[in-house]
Formats: sequence, structure tokens, C-alpha cells
Amino acid sequence: ETGVTQTPRHLVMGMTNKKSLKCEQHLGHNAMYWYKQSAKKPLELMFVYSLEERVENNSVPSRFSPECPNSSHLFLHLHTLQPEDSALYLCASSQGSILAGTYYEQYFGPGTRLTVT
Amino acid sequence: TQLLEQSPQFLSIQEGENLTVYCNSSSVFSSLQWYRQEPGEGPVLLVTVVTGGEVKKLKRLTFQFGDARKDSSLHITAAQPGDTGLYLCAGASGTYKYIFGTGTRLKVLA
Repeated sequence: ETGVTQTPRHLVMGMTNKKSLKCEQHLGHNAMYWYKQSAKKPLELMFVYSLEERVENNSVPSRFSPECPNSSHLFLHLHTLQPEDSALYLCASSQGSILAGTYYEQYFGPGTRLTVT
Repeated sequence: TQLLEQSPQFLSIQEGENLTVYCNSSSVFSSLQWYRQEPGEGPVLLVTVVTGGEVKKLKRLTFQFGDARKDSSLHITAAQPGDTGLYLCAGASGTYKYIFGTGTRLKVLA
């Protein structure tokens, strides 16, 4: 138990569906992240929020829409996905930003296994 | 584009053997983390190294950060089946960005 929870753990959706992934962290952190993990590819950073403000958007298609209502919760809204979007979606949190001379460790949730049919 | 190459990609060894996993880049990182990930779960942080040349030990695992902070290694002594998993290195780059390695999948046979 890392203090980061994700729901649902598994999701199957059609290409025309709309669904949302939820992440909650109980660590008092103020930065939250969405990553995509596909087979045979390194983890890809999708979005970063710091103090509820989006600070990183890694050229992610608009069919993925993040939302961070407060520092403990993060959502990823999905619509009109493609089969190649099937992957493990991981949420992580950290205490803050990476500043010169300091570092903040990321803690990951268990992920949501998404299958797009 | 920053890349972290891990080697080997796959490793299957007998219980009791020693092994080393490498994480290499042409870029300098302010810190580097090692994770272990089991099937169907998220990565779990093992260690963070910050200073060039730093060595950290976690029971049978020894982590080293290269002097130039571009590479790192993970050495496991007397591997056990419980060490089986995907090992990932991640370099801190930029304000919020972590670059993840390609991963090493380790299987330890009893």
C-alpha cells in the first residue's frame, strides 16, 4: 500500500464510450502525475499537476482530458479512444517539484488496466 | 530526446546467483530512482541516488550512481524468487519530468 489508490483497476470500453479514471493520494503531496505504460515501451509521462495547476502536458491527444479538483484527487476523462490507447494507466504523486539541489520521490498507484475494443 | 537504456532487457537466473542491471544515458540527471514493478501493479520505489559516485545498499541490493550522474547500476547478491519483477530506473530531468528507462525483466527460478 503506497498511499495512492486508483479506480477502477480494470476497464473495458468501446471506442465511442466516455469513462473516467480516478486517483486519490493520502500522502499530503502537492504534485500528481498521469503516466501511460504500454508493452515494450518506457513509461510515458502524460500530465503533471502541481497545486491543482497543470504544469506539464506531454503532447497528449485531446481524447484524454485531465482534471485536478484538489491536491488529493486526480481524474483522467476518456472519450472516443482508439485500440492503441489500451495500456496500464498509472497515477503517481510527489511532495513537490524537482528543484536544483533537491529531489522529490514519486509514489505510484496500482494502475488501471484499460482495454479499448 | 533524453533516453535511459537499461540492460539486459531480460534476465532469467537461478536462486542464489548474483546479477547486475545497468541504466545508461548520455544526459545528466539531478537524481535517479530505481523501482520494482510486479505484474498488474504500479512501480514501487526502491531507492533514490543523488550524488555522483554514491552507493546505497538495501539488504541484498546495492545501487550505484555514476560519477558523472549519467548512469547507474543495481547489483543483487544471492537472488531469491521474491526478487522477480520488472526493474525500472528513472532520471529526474526538468522541473517535474522523470525519464523512465526501458526496463529489465528479472525472473529468479527456485
